[in-house]
Amino acid sequence: ILNVEQSPQSLHVQEGDSTNFTCSFPSSNFYALHWYRWETAKSPEALFVMTLNGDEKKKGRISATLNTKEGYSYLYIKGSQPEDSATYLCAFHRGSTLGRLYFGRGTQLTVWP
Amino acid sequence: GAGVSQSPRYKVTKRGQDVALRCDPISGHVSLYWYRQALGQGPEFLTYFNYEAQQDKSGLPNDRFSAERPEGSISTLTIQRTEQRDSAMYRCASSPRGGNEQFFGPGTRLTVL
Repeated sequence: ILNVEQSPQSLHVQEGDSTNFTCSFPSSNFYALHWYRWETAKSPEALFVMTLNGDEKKKGRISATLNTKEGYSYLYIKGSQPEDSATYLCAFHRGSTLGRLYFGRGTQLTVWP
Repeated sequence: GAGVSQSPRYKVTKRGQDVALRCDPISGHVSLYWYRQALGQGPEFLTYFNYEAQQDKSGLPNDRFSAERPEGSISTLTIQRTEQRDSAMYRCASSPRGGNEQFFGPGTRLTVL
């Protein structure tokens, strides 16, 4: 069984707060790490695909870092807004089973105005 | 450009009936993936295709589940003799040749009574 763990499971923050959450994955046989943003009743929206150890990617107020040697990635949101409320999913892409993503359970973020 | 589409969006069926779920990938995308998502969980891989060839079906839970993509475009996931435990959101995704990112459709919510 391949475990992809995300923490915390849920997070409630005030508008304007910055926040971060964690995705941990196996450090062996790494190919890529995906972050998705998912709002209920909508399709998961791809945020980042990260492939290199030490990668940092940014999209507006959202950024992510990657450490493949220790098997974790952080997602940061700076100055959270109510529209950032969603579930953030990470998915591990293993080298020996290309095509198949192993998803975590997600971090549910609620941003209060 | 149109995204991944799935039909029907909602399907309610009685236990023991067969169901067929359809996925239309993004035009030109060569890879197509099926996932199942239970409430409160991340998507769980079922199977995937490159063109018309089924590359990995190791995620299909049992032989009541099958998938096909005969012309390398539209795909159908069929569940025979449905059981209540099959109730879930079934999601389809596609990706272009050489691309890692998987673009997800809105899903089909299957309820087996």
